[in-house]
Amino acid sequence: DAKTTQPPSMDCAEGRAANLPCNHSTISGNEYVYWYRQIHSQGPQYIIHGLKNNETNEMASLIITEDRKSSTLILPHATLRDTAVYYCIVSGGGGNEKLTFGTGTRLTIIP
Amino acid sequence: KAGVTQTPRYLIKTRGQQVTLSCSPISGHRSVSWYQQTPGQGLQFLFEYFSETQRNKGNFPGRFSGRQFSNSRSEMNVSTLELGDSALYLCASSIGVGRLYEQYFGPGTRLTVT
Repeated sequence: DAKTTQPPSMDCAEGRAANLPCNHSTISGNEYVYWYRQIHSQGPQYIIHGLKNNETNEMASLIITEDRKSSTLILPHATLRDTAVYYCIVSGGGGNEKLTFGTGTRLTIIP
Repeated sequence: KAGVTQTPRYLIKTRGQQVTLSCSPISGHRSVSWYQQTPGQGLQFLFEYFSETQRNKGNFPGRFSGRQFSNSRSEMNVSTLELGDSALYLCASSIGVGRLYEQYFGPGTRLTVT
C-alpha cells in the first residue's frame, strides 16, 4: 500500500471549514483514497473515498489533485463533535485491500 | 439496524495466558476484519474473514489467530500473552471482502496484560 503523510495536529474554529491535507505521492493508478475518523474511545468511522474525481457526501468533500499525489478533506462547517483523529488511507482495488492506518491528524474544533 | 458488537469490552489477563475475543457483525455482513490499536503502533490490520475463510492477513505472529462461524460471527485468539499485546482490539464488518468504504467498526475490546 502507498504511504500517506498527514500533519499531526490541526485546530479549527467552530463553524468554519476544516481543511485536512494528505500527501500520497506514491499512489498507483488503481488505488483509492479513503478517509476515516476516530472519535475518542470509539471505533473508526468511514467518511468518504475517491479515485480521481472530487467527491461530496453529507459529511464532507474530498478534493484530489489532478496528479493524485495529494488530497484534502473538507468539513464545511465544523462542529465540536468533529473533534477526532482523521486518517487518510490509500488502498487498491485488487480484492486484497486492507486499511493501513497511519498516525492521522488530530483535529481540534475550538469553540 | 444493530451495529457491530464486541465482547467483552474490557479484559485483564496475565502474561502467558491466552484470550479469546468475540465480534458479532452487522446483520447481513459477511466479512469481518480485526485490528489492533496501540499508542505506539497505531491501528494495525490483523486479518479478515469472509465465508469462514481467512482472506487477508497482516504482519502479526502466529500467536494471533482467528476464525469465523457460519453465522458470520468471528473470534480472535491470542495465545501466550505478552505485555506488548495490551491494546484496543477492534473488529469491523462489511458486506463483502475488500469493501473498505463500507467497513463499520465496533467499540473495541480493551485488553490489558499484566
